[in-house]
Amino acid sequence: DSGVTQTPKHLITATGQRVTLRCSPRSGDLSVYWYQQSLDQGLQFLIQYYNGEERAKGNILERFSAQQFPDLHSELNLSSLELGDSALYFCASSADSLYGYTFGSGTRLTVV
Amino acid sequence: DQQVKQNSPSLSVQEGRISILNCDYTNSMFDYFLWYKKYPAEGPTFLISISSIKDKNEDGRFTVFLNKSAKHLSLHIVPSQPGDSAVYFCAASEQFNTDKLIFGTGTRLQVFP
Repeated sequence: DSGVTQTPKHLITATGQRVTLRCSPRSGDLSVYWYQQSLDQGLQFLIQYYNGEERAKGNILERFSAQQFPDLHSELNLSSLELGDSALYFCASSADSLYGYTFGSGTRLTVV
Repeated sequence: DQQVKQNSPSLSVQEGRISILNCDYTNSMFDYFLWYKKYPAEGPTFLISISSIKDKNEDGRFTVFLNKSAKHLSLHIVPSQPGDSAVYFCAASEQFNTDKLIFGTGTRLQVFP
Protein backbone atom coordinates (compact mmCIF):
# COMPACT_ATOMS: atom_id res chain seq x y z
CA ASP A 1 0.00 0.00 0.00
CA SER A 2 1.59 3.24 -1.21
CA GLY A 3 -0.60 5.43 0.98
CA VAL A 4 -2.32 7.01 -2.03
CA THR A 5 -5.84 5.66 -2.40
CA GLN A 6 -7.78 5.76 -5.64
CA THR A 7 -11.38 4.76 -6.08
CA PRO A 8 -12.93 3.08 -7.87
CA LYS A 9 -10.39 0.60 -9.21
CA HIS A 10 -12.46 -0.17 -12.27
CA LEU A 11 -15.18 1.77 -14.03
CA ILE A 12 -17.18 0.84 -17.10
CA THR A 13 -19.48 3.44 -18.57
CA ALA A 14 -21.12 4.42 -21.82
CA THR A 15 -20.14 7.15 -24.24
CA GLY A 16 -21.56 10.53 -23.38
CA GLN A 17 -21.66 9.81 -19.66
CA ARG A 18 -19.86 11.56 -16.81
CA VAL A 19 -17.72 9.94 -14.13
CA THR A 20 -15.80 11.07 -11.07
CA LEU A 21 -12.53 9.55 -9.98
CA ARG A 22 -11.38 10.05 -6.43
CA CYS A 23 -7.95 10.25 -4.89
CA SER A 24 -6.82 10.50 -1.28
CA PRO A 25 -3.18 11.55 -1.06
CA ARG A 26 -0.61 10.16 1.33
CA SER A 27 -0.91 11.70 4.77
CA GLY A 28 0.85 15.05 4.91
CA ASP A 29 1.30 15.44 1.15
CA LEU A 30 -0.10 18.72 -0.13
CA SER A 31 0.37 18.17 -3.86
CA VAL A 32 -1.87 15.93 -5.94
CA TYR A 33 -1.24 15.07 -9.58
CA TRP A 34 -3.42 13.35 -12.14
CA TYR A 35 -1.97 11.32 -15.01
CA GLN A 36 -3.53 9.40 -17.88
CA GLN A 37 -1.99 6.29 -19.39
CA SER A 38 -3.61 5.06 -22.58
CA LEU A 39 -2.87 1.71 -24.24
CA ASP A 40 0.46 1.20 -22.47
CA GLN A 41 1.72 4.59 -23.53
CA GLY A 42 3.62 6.98 -21.34
CA LEU A 43 2.28 8.94 -18.44
CA GLN A 44 0.41 11.98 -19.72
CA PHE A 45 0.31 14.72 -17.12
CA LEU A 46 -3.17 16.18 -16.72
CA ILE A 47 -3.21 18.55 -13.78
CA GLN A 48 -1.63 19.35 -10.40
CA TYR A 49 -3.18 20.78 -7.26
CA TYR A 50 -1.32 22.11 -4.27
CA ASN A 51 -3.17 22.65 -1.00
CA GLY A 52 -6.45 23.23 -2.76
CA GLU A 53 -5.18 25.45 -5.56
CA GLU A 54 -4.52 24.52 -9.17
CA ARG A 55 -0.76 24.74 -9.71
CA ALA A 56 -0.04 23.31 -13.15
CA LYS A 57 -2.00 22.13 -16.12
CA GLY A 58 -0.95 19.65 -18.74
CA ASN A 59 -2.76 18.11 -21.66
CA ILE A 60 -6.13 18.08 -19.99
CA LEU A 61 -9.20 18.22 -22.20
CA GLU A 62 -11.88 20.84 -21.61
CA ARG A 63 -14.30 17.99 -20.90
CA PHE A 64 -12.16 17.09 -17.90
CA SER A 65 -11.93 19.03 -14.66
CA ALA A 66 -10.49 18.46 -11.24
CA GLN A 67 -10.49 19.93 -7.78
CA GLN A 68 -8.80 19.45 -4.45
CA PHE A 69 -10.86 19.75 -1.32
CA PRO A 70 -9.92 21.20 2.10
CA ASP A 71 -9.17 17.70 3.41
CA LEU A 72 -6.72 17.44 0.45
CA HIS A 73 -8.51 14.65 -1.36
CA SER A 74 -8.98 15.29 -5.06
CA GLU A 75 -11.55 14.40 -7.68
CA LEU A 76 -11.13 14.18 -11.43
CA ASN A 77 -14.34 14.68 -13.35
CA LEU A 78 -14.60 13.35 -16.88
CA SER A 79 -17.67 14.30 -18.90
CA SER A 80 -19.12 13.63 -22.35
CA LEU A 81 -17.01 10.52 -22.39
CA GLU A 82 -15.67 9.15 -25.65
CA LEU A 83 -14.24 5.75 -26.51
CA GLY A 84 -10.77 7.31 -26.63
CA ASP A 85 -11.01 8.29 -22.97
CA SER A 86 -10.61 4.66 -22.02
CA ALA A 87 -7.37 4.56 -20.06
CA LEU A 88 -5.71 4.10 -16.71
CA TYR A 89 -5.93 7.24 -14.62
CA PHE A 90 -3.30 7.61 -11.92
CA CYS A 91 -3.21 9.95 -9.02
CA ALA A 92 0.05 10.78 -7.27
CA SER A 93 0.94 12.86 -4.27
CA SER A 94 4.17 14.54 -3.29
CA ALA A 95 5.86 16.10 -0.31
CA ASP A 96 8.84 17.37 -2.31
CA SER A 97 10.99 14.52 -1.02
CA LEU A 98 13.92 12.74 -2.61
CA TYR A 99 11.53 9.97 -3.65
CA GLY A 100 9.45 12.21 -5.86
CA TYR A 101 5.86 11.18 -6.30
CA THR A 102 3.91 8.39 -4.67
CA PHE A 103 1.40 6.91 -7.06
CA GLY A 104 -1.89 5.24 -6.38
CA SER A 105 -2.79 1.98 -8.09
CA GLY A 106 -4.97 3.73 -10.63
CA THR A 107 -8.52 3.66 -11.91
CA ARG A 108 -9.11 1.73 -15.10
CA LEU A 109 -11.82 3.48 -17.08
CA THR A 110 -13.50 1.66 -19.93
CA VAL A 111 -15.88 3.60 -22.14
CA VAL A 112 -18.16 1.41 -24.24
CA ASP B 1 8.64 19.39 -26.70
CA GLN B 2 9.68 16.21 -24.92
CA GLN B 3 12.29 17.28 -22.40
CA VAL B 4 12.91 13.74 -21.17
CA LYS B 5 13.21 11.03 -23.78
CA GLN B 6 13.39 7.29 -23.58
CA ASN B 7 14.05 6.33 -27.16
CA SER B 8 13.76 2.58 -26.71
CA PRO B 9 10.15 1.61 -26.14
CA SER B 10 11.11 -1.96 -25.31
CA LEU B 11 14.06 -4.12 -24.33
CA SER B 12 14.37 -7.87 -24.05
CA VAL B 13 17.13 -9.41 -21.93
CA GLN B 14 17.99 -12.91 -20.82
CA GLU B 15 17.86 -13.70 -17.13
CA GLY B 16 21.23 -13.20 -15.47
CA ARG B 17 22.45 -10.72 -18.05
CA ILE B 18 22.73 -6.95 -17.71
CA SER B 19 19.81 -4.70 -18.62
CA ILE B 20 20.66 -1.16 -19.66
CA LEU B 21 17.85 1.37 -19.95
CA ASN B 22 18.64 4.77 -21.36
CA CYS B 23 17.22 8.23 -20.89
CA ASP B 24 18.15 11.53 -22.53
CA TYR B 25 17.15 15.01 -21.51
CA THR B 26 17.33 18.40 -23.14
CA ASN B 27 16.95 20.83 -20.23
CA SER B 28 20.35 21.67 -18.77
CA MET B 29 18.61 22.98 -15.64
CA PHE B 30 17.59 19.47 -14.61
CA ASP B 31 19.61 18.49 -11.56
CA TYR B 32 17.78 15.56 -10.02
CA PHE B 33 16.77 12.38 -11.76
CA LEU B 34 14.62 9.46 -10.70
CA TRP B 35 13.71 6.05 -12.08
CA TYR B 36 10.31 4.51 -11.49
CA LYS B 37 9.21 0.96 -12.11
CA LYS B 38 5.69 0.08 -13.13
CA TYR B 39 4.00 -3.32 -13.19
CA PRO B 40 0.78 -3.81 -15.18
CA ALA B 41 -2.33 -2.49 -13.44
CA GLU B 42 -0.23 -0.88 -10.70
CA GLY B 43 1.04 2.64 -10.17
CA PRO B 44 4.70 3.47 -10.75
CA THR B 45 6.96 3.04 -7.73
CA PHE B 46 10.20 4.82 -6.94
CA LEU B 47 13.29 2.76 -7.75
CA ILE B 48 16.44 4.87 -7.55
CA SER B 49 17.56 8.46 -7.97
CA ILE B 50 20.66 10.52 -8.61
CA SER B 51 21.54 14.16 -8.18
CA SER B 52 23.68 16.14 -10.57
CA ILE B 53 26.53 16.34 -8.09
CA LYS B 54 27.11 12.62 -8.59
CA ASP B 55 27.77 10.54 -11.65
CA LYS B 56 26.79 7.20 -10.16
CA ASN B 57 24.40 5.86 -7.57
CA GLU B 58 24.07 2.23 -6.64
CA ASP B 59 21.40 0.30 -4.79
CA GLY B 60 21.81 -3.45 -4.84
CA ARG B 61 21.38 -4.73 -8.37
CA PHE B 62 20.42 -1.28 -9.65
CA THR B 63 22.91 1.40 -10.65
CA VAL B 64 22.15 4.72 -12.28
CA PHE B 65 24.83 6.58 -14.21
CA LEU B 66 24.64 10.25 -15.09
CA ASN B 67 26.61 11.90 -17.89
CA LYS B 68 25.85 15.60 -17.55
CA SER B 69 27.84 16.70 -20.58
CA ALA B 70 25.89 14.31 -22.78
CA LYS B 71 22.62 14.95 -20.92
CA HIS B 72 22.22 11.23 -20.62
CA LEU B 73 21.46 8.81 -17.83
CA SER B 74 21.20 5.09 -17.77
CA LEU B 75 19.87 2.45 -15.42
CA HIS B 76 21.82 -0.78 -15.16
CA ILE B 77 20.26 -3.90 -13.67
CA VAL B 78 22.70 -6.67 -12.91
CA PRO B 79 21.87 -9.51 -12.88
CA SER B 80 18.46 -9.19 -14.50
CA GLN B 81 15.68 -11.31 -13.05
CA PRO B 82 12.24 -12.21 -14.45
CA GLY B 83 10.66 -10.12 -11.69
CA ASP B 84 12.34 -7.06 -13.19
CA SER B 85 10.01 -7.30 -16.19
CA ALA B 86 8.12 -4.02 -16.04
CA VAL B 87 7.93 -0.58 -17.60
CA TYR B 88 10.65 1.79 -16.41
CA PHE B 89 10.16 5.54 -16.45
CA CYS B 90 12.87 8.10 -15.93
CA ALA B 91 11.95 11.50 -14.54
CA ALA B 92 13.79 14.77 -14.00
CA SER B 93 13.40 17.92 -11.96
CA GLU B 94 14.96 21.37 -11.65
CA GLN B 95 16.49 22.85 -8.52
CA PHE B 96 15.98 19.57 -6.70
CA ASN B 97 12.29 20.41 -6.71
CA THR B 98 10.66 17.01 -6.86
CA ASP B 99 7.32 18.73 -6.60
CA LYS B 100 7.48 19.05 -10.38
CA LEU B 101 8.73 16.02 -12.27
CA ILE B 102 9.00 15.60 -16.01
CA PHE B 103 8.56 11.97 -17.06
CA GLY B 104 9.89 10.10 -20.04
CA THR B 105 7.67 7.85 -22.12
CA GLY B 106 8.90 4.63 -20.56
CA THR B 107 10.77 1.51 -21.64
CA ARG B 108 9.22 -1.92 -21.33
CA LEU B 109 11.78 -4.43 -20.07
CA GLN B 110 11.17 -8.11 -20.53
CA VAL B 111 13.53 -10.55 -18.84
CA PHE B 112 13.21 -14.07 -20.20
CA PRO B 113 14.58 -17.29 -18.69
